Amino acid sequence: EVQLVESGGGLVQPGRSLRLSCAVSGFTFDDYAMYWVRQAPGKGLEWVSGISWNSGSTDYADSVKGRFTISRDNAKNSLYLQMNSLRPEDTALYYCAKDRRTGGLGGSAFDIWGQGTMVIVSS
Amino acid sequence: QSALTQPASVSGSPGQSITISCTGTSSDVGGYNYVSWYQQHPGKAPKLMIYDVSNRPSGVSNRFSGSKSGNTASLTISGLQAEDEADYYCTSYASSSALYVFGTGTKVTVL
Repeated sequence: EVQLVESGGGLVQPGRSLRLSCAVSGFTFDDYAMYWVRQAPGKGLEWVSGISWNSGSTDYADSVKGRFTISRDNAKNSLYLQMNSLRPEDTALYYCAKDRRTGGLGGSAFDIWGQGTMVIVSS
Repeated sequence: QSALTQPASVSGSPGQSITISCTGTSSDVGGYNYVSWYQQHPGKAPKLMIYDVSNRPSGVSNRFSGSKSGNTASLTISGLQAEDEADYYCTSYASSSALYVFGTGTKVTVL
């Protein structure tokens, strides 16, 4: 069974850091690009970041560029999101998602999603 | 990068057909055939319903169909059923500041 399980969320003060993880099983992780998508409470979906199968390409939404870093460990079948200088507007449910196609970043769709991990940025 | 524009809500009676629009620009919807649609029930993760404008993943009902004309993509749900009541989001690959841009979301209500 294909499964994505996020962890690492929690309550954090503004300006602090948090690292999210996404453990993957049920498919050949290192064949696919992976993404983070977030959803603020009661709001819509927002694409956050993406990483190619071999970590050769990464991309970020303007709202997180310079503060968030996406990475992956193919040996551990895991995706990460390092979030620094957190702001209240980063409060959201963070989903990891799998690219529908094998290969590079972009030009595709998100075919498998985790259940999300909640990040709350508040003093 | 601005969000793609969707109607806030669409409703229909069981058995009817409804269409949700998703309007962007030539830098996203109009420039690429990489529009996808997601269904999200309350408290659940999004589910891929349509990819590459008009393709259905395995297991998705053929009552769901997608199309595109210019800078506007559309999702049509035919034979509306109670289980179709959910939020729907479009997304498109984009060539500007964000790799992907999502739509504002549409709440579908089955009357």
